[in-house]
Amino acid sequence: DAGVTQSPTHLIKTRGQHVTLRCSPISGHKSVSWYQQVLGQGPQFIFQYYEKEERGRGNFPDRFSARQFPNYSSELNVNALLLGDSALYLCASSPYLAGGYEQYFGPGTRLTVT
Amino acid sequence: GESVGLHLPTLSVQEGDNSIINCAYSNSASDYFIWYKQESGKGPQFIIDIRSNMDKRQGQRVTVLLNKTVKHLSLQIAATQPGDSAVYFCAENPGNMLTFGGGTRLMVKP
Repeated sequence: DAGVTQSPTHLIKTRGQHVTLRCSPISGHKSVSWYQQVLGQGPQFIFQYYEKEERGRGNFPDRFSARQFPNYSSELNVNALLLGDSALYLCASSPYLAGGYEQYFGPGTRLTVT
Repeated sequence: GESVGLHLPTLSVQEGDNSIINCAYSNSASDYFIWYKQESGKGPQFIIDIRSNMDKRQGQRVTVLLNKTVKHLSLQIAATQPGDSAVYFCAENPGNMLTFGGGTRLMVKP
């Protein structure tokens, strides 16, 4: 079975630009979460979506937004990129919304902002 | 989660020895915990989980211990192999999101 997939694998952008990252969850999983992982640190929660609705938001500015589609895939959008947005962006899927269920991570998208 | 920057705590063990990685969690309301393994350039890989109504759970070569009194988790890896070399994160799940600890780098010497 296919795991969580993310695209693109790597991305280089310039300050001020915007970026769209994509995620396809494991088949049958309805919940998608996004995390930002800066080098040397643990992942930080950005968003959770379930059944196309935002169900949780971490401490990130409004430049970050996301959405979930009817097929449960998801996009993360970041506007007005800053150098500090350079990180590995991880998508995780889970079968249900509530806590207490395994979250499976994709390989991530490495974003570099220059 | 605790931030330790680029200087992750490192545990160095000999191949074949047992490894113990420790983690302190912060939220007493957390009722579910997961250990993840992350290799360089890859996403975190699920290893084992435990719910707050348990003190111990065993998997294949791995055991997780939970001490709710002192808010402490440990991951024990039996007969550590070179392929176990990675960064290990504990994560707590007080709600819908995961909160990660700072991570421990495990280095296995052949």
